[in-house]
Amino acid sequence: NAGVMQNPRHLVRRRGQEARLRCSPMKGHSHVYWYRQLPEEGLKFMVYLQKENIIDESGMPKERFSAEFPKEGPSILRIQQVVRGDSAAYFCASSPIPVGSGSSYNEQFFGPGTRLTVL
Amino acid sequence: KQEVTQIPAALSVPEGENLVLNCSFTDSAIYNLQWFRQDPGKGLTSLLLIQSSQREQTSGRLNASLDKSSGRSTLYIAASQPGDSATYLCAVKGIKAAGNKLTFGGGTRVLVKP
Repeated sequence: NAGVMQNPRHLVRRRGQEARLRCSPMKGHSHVYWYRQLPEEGLKFMVYLQKENIIDESGMPKERFSAEFPKEGPSILRIQQVVRGDSAAYFCASSPIPVGSGSSYNEQFFGPGTRLTVL
Repeated sequence: KQEVTQIPAALSVPEGENLVLNCSFTDSAIYNLQWFRQDPGKGLTSLLLIQSSQREQTSGRLNASLDKSSGRSTLYIAASQPGDSATYLCAVKGIKAAGNKLTFGGGTRVLVKP
């Protein structure tokens, strides 16, 4: 069973370009989370999605950032008109069906990340 | 708002010593707490997951304890090896938080010297 896959692993963009980051969850997982790790900082939650639904986007910047998880295909994190401050590692995680305490399905499994560099 | 703190930020020990890593969180209403390992330039590897109803979890040389009422977790690594050098992150899933997001601490960077 393949783990969470992210591509590309490294992405270089010039200021003003668009960045598209892709995440394929583990087989059988229908919930996807995106986190961002800025240089020398901890991971911060960005968005939580189910198939065709955004459940929680409280961590997403108000402008230029969007995310989707279509019925078919990977989840996409899209950053328009990138700026140098967007340079970071972007991690995707997936889980089967998150439930309350006492369940083995609470765990999130992380992908290897996409490292975005904006020149 | 949940805040997670890890102290110390960095730790250096000689090979063979036991490692003790601390994690504290401000809101005790959590579903679970997870410890991760992150190697430089790499992703996160889940080490241990402790449910809110549990006091500790063990895996090999690793043991993690959870004291929910005081908002603390400790990760013990016995007989450290140079291969244990990495950044260790703790994260909590809060009951009050919308969705199922994890709130991470800043990490403890560990160096085990041969």
